[in-house]
Amino acid sequence: EVQLVESGGGLVQPGRSLKLSCLASGFTFSNYGMNWIRQAPGKGLEWVASISSSSSYIYYADTVKGRFTISRDNAKNTLYLQMTSLRSEDTALYYCARGGDYENWGQGVMVTVSS
Amino acid sequence: DIVMTQSPTSMSISVGDRVTMNCKASQNVGSNVDWYQQKTGQSPKLLIYKASNRYTGVPDRFTGSGSGTDFTFTISNMQAEDLAVYYCMQSNSYPFTFGSGTKLEIK
Repeated sequence: EVQLVESGGGLVQPGRSLKLSCLASGFTFSNYGMNWIRQAPGKGLEWVASISSSSSYIYYADTVKGRFTISRDNAKNTLYLQMTSLRSEDTALYYCARGGDYENWGQGVMVTVSS
Repeated sequence: DIVMTQSPTSMSISVGDRVTMNCKASQNVGSNVDWYQQKTGQSPKLLIYKASNRYTGVPDRFTGSGSGTDFTFTISNMQAEDLAVYYCMQSNSYPFTFGSGTKLEIK
């Protein structure tokens, strides 16, 4: 069974940093591109970043480019999202998702940016 | 960026109804549109990929169609467990973009 478990969220002050993790199991992690998608409270879905299976290709939404860094460790079956210079508008539930069509999603981890 | 205009925003429906919603892309995205279901308090789930392909385990009452700029998602026989928000997403080019969602409510 495919499982994606996000962690690392919490309450953080504006301008600070936070690193999210997504631990994958139930499939060969190194064979799949991975993604981060977020959902602000009561709002729709917003794609954040994607990384190819070997980290050769990386893409970011303009809203996070230069502030967020997506990475992965295939030996640890883990996807990361390093978030810096956080803003109130980054407050959201952050999901990791597998593959090009987002076949599987984690349960999400909440990030709240507030003073 | 490609804008996905999803309609309607919400629908009041009855069990057994046929439900149809649409997504219009601001430019040609081929068949690269997926449809997701998000129930309250849950993560989104992939239902349809590449416009018309039903994902593993998805009931056949869910269908998708379209290509280019116009896409349709249909539930042929609405069930109570289908109450959710449905999103389209284009995966043709980055940044991938979602529609604003269609919320299904019981009439």
